[in-house]
Amino acid sequence: QQQVKQSPQSLIVQKGGISIINCAYENTAFDYFPWYQQFPGKGPALLIAIRPDVSEKKEGRFTISFNKSAKQFSLHIMDSQPGDSATYFCAARRNTNAGKSTFGDGTTLTVKP
Amino acid sequence: DAGITQSPRYKITETGRQVTLMCHQTWSHSYMFWYRQDLGHGLRLIYYSAAADITDKGEVPDGYVVSRSKTENFPLTLESATRSQTSVYFCASSEEGWAEAFFGQGTRLTVV
Repeated sequence: QQQVKQSPQSLIVQKGGISIINCAYENTAFDYFPWYQQFPGKGPALLIAIRPDVSEKKEGRFTISFNKSAKQFSLHIMDSQPGDSATYFCAARRNTNAGKSTFGDGTTLTVKP
Repeated sequence: DAGITQSPRYKITETGRQVTLMCHQTWSHSYMFWYRQDLGHGLRLIYYSAAADITDKGEVPDGYVVSRSKTENFPLTLESATRSQTSVYFCASSEEGWAEAFFGQGTRLTVV
């Protein structure tokens, strides 16, 4: 049973465009939703995270939108740049269990110049 | 250098052999984790440790053994490697159970 479903699997965006990646979760006990960015040959690194008491969180060009009733959350990358080309993973967990995150399958983003 | 390091970065082994992947962190983080990442899939937790001498199973523990005699080290052993264990393995650590985890650069293991 996959508890976090991520889409799309891959995404190609022109430079300056908006990249949108969606995730849906099943376990209502999850209360922390991070997004990770992974470059080839590197480990995942935390990009931005949100808790369910807010509907949106923005950090620079990256925004998480969260819909608790629909059990969905999404990552928006504004003004996408070629340097944003990477694989993005959404995750969900109980806040008290940092390493026991359940990950989505990842989205490979390519930003074309 | 401070951080979390994994060794080796690449490993090829034969089916049935025992292989150990090493993970070392310099932050004195309490928690350490092992994940595997397979093509087209996210990370799946194998084992984790809340402190020295305390370990627990994750989502996919079968075929793996861990130990944590020292806070800074968390080796992962495949007792008898199988082809299905071909994967990229990531070690991570976090200061507390609620804190964010930091990942190593990964070990690409191929079992032939």
